[in-house]
Amino acid sequence: GQNIDQPTEMTATEGAIVQINCTYQTSGFNGLFWYQQHAGEAPTFLSYNVLDGLEEKGRFSSFLSRSKGYSYLLLKELQMKDSASYLCAVRDSNYQLIWGAGTKLIIKP
Amino acid sequence: SQTIHQWPATLVQPVGSPLSLECTVEGTSNPNLYWYRQAAGRGLQLLFYSVGIGQISSEVPQNLSASRPQDRQFILSSKKLLLSDSGFYLCAWSDSVGGSEKLFFGSGTQLSVL
Repeated sequence: GQNIDQPTEMTATEGAIVQINCTYQTSGFNGLFWYQQHAGEAPTFLSYNVLDGLEEKGRFSSFLSRSKGYSYLLLKELQMKDSASYLCAVRDSNYQLIWGAGTKLIIKP
Repeated sequence: SQTIHQWPATLVQPVGSPLSLECTVEGTSNPNLYWYRQAAGRGLQLLFYSVGIGQISSEVPQNLSASRPQDRQFILSSKKLLLSDSGFYLCAWSDSVGGSEKLFFGSGTQLSVL
């Protein structure tokens, strides 16, 4: 079966750095997405990786290793507004999106 | 710019009652349209998707149905709701096909079936 694993919940301090990991086992690979979802709201697109390496976009960076079936989302200079769930999703060989359950990130002052 | 509207935001319905959730997209033509359900502690589950008017693909067998009567309108329906239909329903659109296609979501409908 296809599976996306990410931690259920993480806690970090305002101003710090946090890394949210995502491991996947899918039938083929055509890209990995990270979305941010505030409670009760719609997910919004953060990043897309299809090649190995690090993609940086402001305070957020996303890393991919296809050989390890592994990605992480790195958030720097954490702000209270970064408190949200972060969803990892992989597009498989049929171009279907497989979603992880999401990581709830709690930021403390 | 493109926008997506989804309503209602919240809905409380008795078991056995019908359902109709509506989603419309503005500012683009011939979008790919999607209905997802999000249950607590689980990943987004794709229910239906559509690549054009009248073209609906169902991903999960259930008592729900979808229709696309117009290019930018997507409707999720049920004739008789079950308790298990409770959840957060999200409509989404995309304007391309392929690996890098990203989704733009509506604000969601929290459905409680009692």
